[in-house]
Amino acid sequence: KAGVTQTPRYLIKTRGQQVTLSCSPISGHRSVSWYQQTPGQGLQFLFEYFSETQRNKGNFPGRFSGRQFSNSRSEMNVSTLELGDSALYLCASSLNRQGWQETQYFGPGTRLLVL
Amino acid sequence: GENVEQHPSTLSVQEGDSAVIKCTYSDSASNYFPWYKQELGKRPQLIIDIRSNVGEKKDQRIAVTLNKTAKHFSLHITETQPEDSAVYFCAASKEDYKLSFGAGTTVTVRA
Repeated sequence: KAGVTQTPRYLIKTRGQQVTLSCSPISGHRSVSWYQQTPGQGLQFLFEYFSETQRNKGNFPGRFSGRQFSNSRSEMNVSTLELGDSALYLCASSLNRQGWQETQYFGPGTRLLVL
Repeated sequence: GENVEQHPSTLSVQEGDSAVIKCTYSDSASNYFPWYKQELGKRPQLIIDIRSNVGEKKDQRIAVTLNKTAKHFSLHITETQPEDSAVYFCAASKEDYKLSFGAGTTVTVRA
């Protein structure tokens, strides 16, 4: 099976712009989670989607949003970019049936640099 | 929310020796504890996981132990090899589809 894929792999934006990142899960996985990884804060949970519904959300401002499509692909959007948004954005997919935490498989990440 | 603490932040071991990384968690409802290995520039990869109904799990040179009463779990790597050099993350989760990660341990295996 093909692994989790993310596009683009690298992005450079300026403050105030917005950005959209894409994630394609492993075939058959309906759960997609997003994480932000920075040297200072480590890996932090952004949100999780299953069957186009957001089931959980982390403690990030409303500038961070996401969605999931009927084919389980997911996008996350960051509006009004700030310097502190520079990070590696990782998505992970899993089977995550209701009420049962399954293994999460990570994509390679999108490295975002905000200037 | 869940708070996961991980120690040590860096660990240097001689090739062939053992490495131990410890994590504590705060939410007693957490019931799933995976460990991920992340090599430089690569994605995190699951190396082993344990659920709260099991006290110990082993996979070749890697083992994880869980103490629910004390709310801590540990990763043990025996007979370390240079390819074990990486950053290791512990995580905890309850039935909310979210992983709460520790800050990571940078392991260096000296040849």
